[in-house]
Amino acid sequence: DTAVSQTPKYLVTQMGNDKSIKCEQNLGHDTMYWYKQDSKKFLKIMFSYNNKELIINETVPNRFSPKSPDKAHLNLHINSLELGDSAVYFCASSQAFRNYEQYFGPGTRLTVT
Amino acid sequence: DQQVKQNSPSLSVQEGRISILNCDYTNSMFDYFLWYKKYPAEGPTFLISISSIKDKNEDGRFTVFLNKSAKHLSLHIVPSQPGDSAVYFCAASADEAGNNRKLIWGLGTSLGVNP
Repeated sequence: DTAVSQTPKYLVTQMGNDKSIKCEQNLGHDTMYWYKQDSKKFLKIMFSYNNKELIINETVPNRFSPKSPDKAHLNLHINSLELGDSAVYFCASSQAFRNYEQYFGPGTRLTVT
Repeated sequence: DQQVKQNSPSLSVQEGRISILNCDYTNSMFDYFLWYKKYPAEGPTFLISISSIKDKNEDGRFTVFLNKSAKHLSLHIVPSQPGDSAVYFCAASADEAGNNRKLIWGLGTSLGVNP
């Protein structure tokens, strides 16, 4: 069983479209994260949810909206996609907010054309 | 402003020898440090961590050393195996306002272990 899963694995779309990436973890963790890894391989946190509550909200355009329907899911919706949004997006989870042993999903490679 | 720096983008080592991956940081408030390993097309996986109250932590073939005065940590892998070939990320964390911690990541070092 995959601990942290993301769908889709690859996403190619045109500028201006709206798209969503889904994330699910079956580890029973209460904290989930979204990271963006850009073309320079820089891994940066975007959002973190603890028990469905937004804990970390970095300086991210408000076109990005996370949604956590329950502790096991954290989805990322992106409106009006731009070329600069092209990146690999990783979902992660951890047992508790102060536990840095984060478990990552395989990543979603988003390409905006 | 990169607070966590891994100045070597890549490293090549012979199987059986020691691999030493380095990481420097600038924020003196960091009090927890971690190493993650990443294979292509996969997410990073946690490898080993160290608290700032320690200067060494060992787990099997992996040892992390912390030099707080130099703001430097290193990951030693001995003996290195071909399966260790991956990108290694250094990450650090500080207790921020509201106790909201987050990981600050380096750019990674690609390790190649040659048979």
